[in-house]
Amino acid sequence: DAGITQSPRHKVTETGTPVTLRCHQTENHRYMYWYRQDPGHGLRLIHYSYGVKDTDKGEVSDGYSVSRSKTEDFLLTLESATSSQTSVYFCAIRPGSGQGNLEQYFGPGTRLTVT
Amino acid sequence: QQQVKQSPQSLIVQKGGIPIINCAYENTAFDYFPWYQQFPGKGPALLIAIRPDVSEKKEGRFTISFNKSAKQFSLHIMDSQPGDSATYFCAASIAGAGSYQLTFGKGTKLSVIP
Repeated sequence: DAGITQSPRHKVTETGTPVTLRCHQTENHRYMYWYRQDPGHGLRLIHYSYGVKDTDKGEVSDGYSVSRSKTEDFLLTLESATSSQTSVYFCAIRPGSGQGNLEQYFGPGTRLTVT
Repeated sequence: QQQVKQSPQSLIVQKGGIPIINCAYENTAFDYFPWYQQFPGKGPALLIAIRPDVSEKKEGRFTISFNKSAKQFSLHIMDSQPGDSATYFCAASIAGAGSYQLTFGKGTKLSVIP
């Protein structure tokens, strides 16, 4: 898993509650990403980070916020969880810099169920 | 708007067969095309990737064929094995974009029958 850990691995929460998912890397890579995976949709980008405190939105960012206060940690927060956010969430890192190496490596995922 | 279209959704082949998974893209700015393999309960794992300056790339039993004019690329798995049974995703990215984000196809579930 390319030195990526995600926590928790599974979570069940109720509609309207806040939820924070954590992605931790051990290699100090600059780029980190949060994707969600849903049946019939593949993986879609939620937010990404290109450095400490540098983040930007992806394709499906509504209802999510992120923070990166340390190089190794990228947090994804659902401020008020909804049933439509039931999904599997994957963190990814990009080891390369510039345009030469575009490879991304994924963590093991967090399965989130909102009831 | 789906920028990367993947087919088929599912595929069943006999052991030793050569499954072929196809992807088509719309954005001509894409210039990096990886394939990922995902087993149930696991994260996607990078399998093989190609840049548009070559038409074919092989790594072990896996081959990517790339047709720039048709905006299509495909994954071939030679001598397929039951252990290759997984979901495969194609993706595309733009090297010059700030995010280097991946745009994924919807996936193909491959079953290799012994």
